[in-house]
Amino acid sequence: RKEVEQDPGPFNVPEGATVAFNCTYSNSASQSFFWYRQDCRKEPKLLMSVYSSGNEDGRFTAQLNRASQYISLLIRDSKLSDSATYLCVVNVAGSARQLTFGSGTQLTVLP
Amino acid sequence: EAQVTQNPRYLITVTGKKLTVTCSQNMNHEYMSWYRQDPGLGLRQIYYSMNVEVTDKGDVPEGYKVSRKEKRNFPLILESPSPNQTSLYFCASSTTGTGAFFGQGTRLTVV
Repeated sequence: RKEVEQDPGPFNVPEGATVAFNCTYSNSASQSFFWYRQDCRKEPKLLMSVYSSGNEDGRFTAQLNRASQYISLLIRDSKLSDSATYLCVVNVAGSARQLTFGSGTQLTVLP
Repeated sequence: EAQVTQNPRYLITVTGKKLTVTCSQNMNHEYMSWYRQDPGLGLRQIYYSMNVEVTDKGDVPEGYKVSRKEKRNFPLILESPSPNQTSLYFCASSTTGTGAFFGQGTRLTVV
């Protein structure tokens, strides 16, 4: 079983739609959680951290469910510019390797 | 400006010719990592470093070497490159509890 699993997609949605991604992690000692965005052939960039109480940044909402070991990302009113691959990332407490990446979910927002 | 700088951005080389990809960060981060990204395989960690003179293997270390003589620099060395090392390479740095900052990537082709 992979340490971090994501639905690879692709998700094709019309502009203005709401889309949600889920990610599950296997290590219950995971401590920090992040969503990254990666545009084609570019470096991954931190989109947002995920906090236990859930957090929102504009059209983006991230939630964490420690009991079920998953995190989610909700994008409201999607824009063409949201088209990218979204990576789920976790950090295991005390892990020297720092961060473990999911393989990403591809999103295409259609006009 | 906080950044991770990789060089070169693009490199075409021949099998067996030793090469080094440099990585430098200006954020005084303890952790640095190298990843390769191949279609359908996501980001795979090659090597990571917790601090100066402390390095360890990631998921796919074969054929690579690293060194961490200074906190800011973490070069990736391919002693004898082979075509299966053709890939997109990313260097990243982070500190405890934070997400990682990535360099812009190095696209390597070994012929």
